[in-house]
Amino acid sequence: GAVVSQHPSRVICKSGTSVKIECRSLDFQATTMFWYRQFPKQSLMLMATSNEGSKATYEQGVEKDKFLINHASLTLSTLTVTSAHPEDSSFYICSATRTDTYSNQPQHFGDGTRLSIL
Amino acid sequence: DAKTTQPPSMDCAEGRAANLPCNHSTISGNEYVYWYRQIHSQGPQYIIHGLKNNETNEMASLIITEDRKSSTLILPHATLRDTAVYYCIVRVYNQGGKLIFGQGTELSVKP
Repeated sequence: GAVVSQHPSRVICKSGTSVKIECRSLDFQATTMFWYRQFPKQSLMLMATSNEGSKATYEQGVEKDKFLINHASLTLSTLTVTSAHPEDSSFYICSATRTDTYSNQPQHFGDGTRLSIL
Repeated sequence: DAKTTQPPSMDCAEGRAANLPCNHSTISGNEYVYWYRQIHSQGPQYIIHGLKNNETNEMASLIITEDRKSSTLILPHATLRDTAVYYCIVRVYNQGGKLIFGQGTELSVKP
């Protein structure tokens, strides 16, 4: 149980393109999902908290207009990288928690999306 | 959230126990200790978590000191597939569930 699916696993596109990444909780409902970014040989950096039915909460330094997050259902959150440029190339990872956030339940992570902007 | 300190790298012989330490000296009473690992080019995998009691599951054991300022993750019989970066994270349960990752320990299991 507690499976999180992320799609696509890899995307290569031209500079200026917008790219959408999907994160699904397959066997549980998630009112909250999280989006992380990871550059080579670095740790994961939290970008934003995605809340079902409300606006996402972005970490300091993350451009909300650049990284659009939508959490329209209890099993799906999407991250859209708008007008992507080479510096946006990274490994993007989502996670979800089985129950509400006021809990000690662990987060479960997707397998990540490797984004390469040419 | 409290900061954690982990050694950047460790080696372990295949079949032996791997003991990964973590210092969290500023941990407060309502913060849990979580362990995750990340195998190259994959998303992190949850291993185990605890508050103050020692915990064991099918993957590992978590030993938390009585003062809660440090903990040790034990992989009882390490295999080559356990080679990964291991992250120790402390998290306050009612602060939106965020996990803040440090640099972790890169564990290399060698034949």
